[in-house]
Amino acid sequence: SQQGEEDPQALSIQEGENATMNCSYKTSINNLQWYRQNSGRGLVHLILIRSNEREKHSGRLRVTLDTSKKSSSLLITASRAADTASYFCATDTGGGNKLTFGTGTQLKVEL
Amino acid sequence: DAGITQSPRHKVTETGTPVTLRCHQTENHRYMYWYRQDPGHGLRLIHYSYGVKDTDKGEVSDGYSVSRSKTEDFLLTLESATSSQTSVYFCAISEGGRGHTGELFFGEGSRLTVL
Repeated sequence: SQQGEEDPQALSIQEGENATMNCSYKTSINNLQWYRQNSGRGLVHLILIRSNEREKHSGRLRVTLDTSKKSSSLLITASRAADTASYFCATDTGGGNKLTFGTGTQLKVEL
Repeated sequence: DAGITQSPRHKVTETGTPVTLRCHQTENHRYMYWYRQDPGHGLRLIHYSYGVKDTDKGEVSDGYSVSRSKTEDFLLTLESATSSQTSVYFCAISEGGRGHTGELFFGEGSRLTVL
């Protein structure tokens, strides 16, 4: 079974709106990472948040982590059409230097 | 962009034939990974390597083997391809972190179709 589950599976918004994606996981983590994948391309790292951090920012991205609820959220503010992509959370559970990915959220930003 | 090259990028083969996918990196990163991506499953780890000749299984390793004879190359072999192995395969690399997994850099993927 998947360690990470994203919610919603798909999200469609208008340009300029904020997009929020959630990730829930099952076991304790060292860190949680978010990746983006454009159609037909490889994944690109967006942001890493450690288990002892609660919030992190990078440009228009804001990530929160609640280890008590085993959940994280990714907020993209003032979205653009170019933000259209799939977004994945990935967890480092400490069992070796590897990540377990969730099933992803497909974001569509319409003009 | 991280120097990761996957080959071939596209392959169509028949059930029962052997297939080898190659991942080549120019970053001298210690860790290399093979994931497969399927609709509804996200990315699932097949095998990974933590050094030359050091490999370990991921969550979906059955039917796959890997080899890493040089730092820069990580090969994924399907000894006898099955239709269930039709997928997009991604190679990734990482420097690793101090006690944690760092950022992964991904290749562009290899689309494999097994008829």
